[in-house]
Amino acid sequence: ETGVTQTPRHLVMGMTNKKSLKCEQHLGHNAMYWYKQSAKKPLELMFVYSLEERVENNSVPSRFSPECPNSSHLFLHLHTLQPEDSALYLCASSQGPGHPVYGYTFGSGTRLTVV
Amino acid sequence: GQQVMQIPQYQHVQEGEDFTTYCNSSTTLSNIQWYKQRPGGHPVFLIQLVKSGEVKKQKRLTFQFGEAKKNSSLHITATQTTDVGTYFCAGAWAGGTSYGKLTFGQGTILTVHP
Repeated sequence: ETGVTQTPRHLVMGMTNKKSLKCEQHLGHNAMYWYKQSAKKPLELMFVYSLEERVENNSVPSRFSPECPNSSHLFLHLHTLQPEDSALYLCASSQGPGHPVYGYTFGSGTRLTVV
Repeated sequence: GQQVMQIPQYQHVQEGEDFTTYCNSSTTLSNIQWYKQRPGGHPVFLIQLVKSGEVKKQKRLTFQFGEAKKNSSLHITATQTTDVGTYFCAGAWAGGTSYGKLTFGQGTILTVHP
């Protein structure tokens, strides 16, 4: 258990489905992040939230919609995804953002398969 | 955007051999971090380097930050099978749109043969 909990661990969805990924942290961190990890690609930053405000949207398609209702919870709403969106989606939290950047605590990830 | 280049992409070693992975940025970093991801797992924070020329050790692992704060290395002495996994560096830059976020390198996948 890392202190950052992601659910579900695995998700298979059709291209017309709507689903949500959930992330929860109880570390007292005030920054939360969504990363995408695909095979043979570096970790790609998707969204950054600081104190529940989105401070970064890294040119992510609108079929991915984040939500941060409070500093402990982060969601990623998915709709009309494409097969190339299949990947491991990782949530992370840290103290910050700020300078210097503190170490991230990652959740175990959600393995998403789009069929 | 700012990038961190990491080499090599793969490294296969015999147990007991040493291993090194390198990261390089074209611009000065404010700090660099290192993470390890075991097969099937998630990245786990190892260490953060902030000062120019900084060297930190964790048992058999030695982390270095270059004098110009543009490069870093992770060296493992006498690898063990428990060292297998992907090692990522992650850089942060102060100011501008990069403020407060990490950019990860491609990672080095380490395989250790017993």
